Amino acid sequence: DAGVTQSPTHLIKTRGQQVTLRCSPKSGHDTVSWYQQALGQGPQFIFQYYEEEERQRGNFPDRFSGHQFPNYSSELNVNALLLGDSALYLCASRYTGNTEAFFGQGTRLTVV
Amino acid sequence: DQQVKQNSPSLSVQEGRISILNCDYTNSMFDYFLWYKKYPAEGPTFLISISSIKDKNEDGRFTVFLNKSAKHLSLHIVPSQPGDSAVYFCAASAHYGGSQGNLIFGKGTKLSVKP
Repeated sequence: DAGVTQSPTHLIKTRGQQVTLRCSPKSGHDTVSWYQQALGQGPQFIFQYYEEEERQRGNFPDRFSGHQFPNYSSELNVNALLLGDSALYLCASRYTGNTEAFFGQGTRLTVV
Repeated sequence: DQQVKQNSPSLSVQEGRISILNCDYTNSMFDYFLWYKKYPAEGPTFLISISSIKDKNEDGRFTVFLNKSAKHLSLHIVPSQPGDSAVYFCAASAHYGGSQGNLIFGKGTKLSVKP
């Protein structure tokens, strides 16, 4: 049983560009959340998707947007990249009736 | 303002001894608490959780204690092993719209277990 998978694992983008990160949840999971982890910090909640809709959103600008597909996979899009967007982006999935979330290995985004 | 605080950035213990990692929270609406372990270049791995209706939960070498009046929880690892060396994150969540909400994480504590 594959766990949460994210792609790509590493990415380098130029300031001002746009990026799309992808996530496939663990089998049986229907809720997907995205987190940003800066160096030396804990993960910060970006948003959560369930039934293809954004259900909760953290304190991130609307340059950060997402999508959930009918197969529960998800994308995170970031427009107009800033140097400060450089971070590890983590996807977490869970079954909506449970609380324990399982994380992917993350995508390391570097903005230059 | 941090709602979940892990005040010790690092902890070093001897193999075989007990490791105690601490976490404080400020939001009384939190009703579920989790501990995650993270190795470099990997995502966080779920370790153990506890509901606010309990004060203790045990899973093998890992035990989490919750003191609601003090808004404090701790993770005990007994006995500690070198493979336990990692960054440990405390996380909390509250019910939101009928389901469990997002996780709020502390900054983590780096545990080093020396042989």
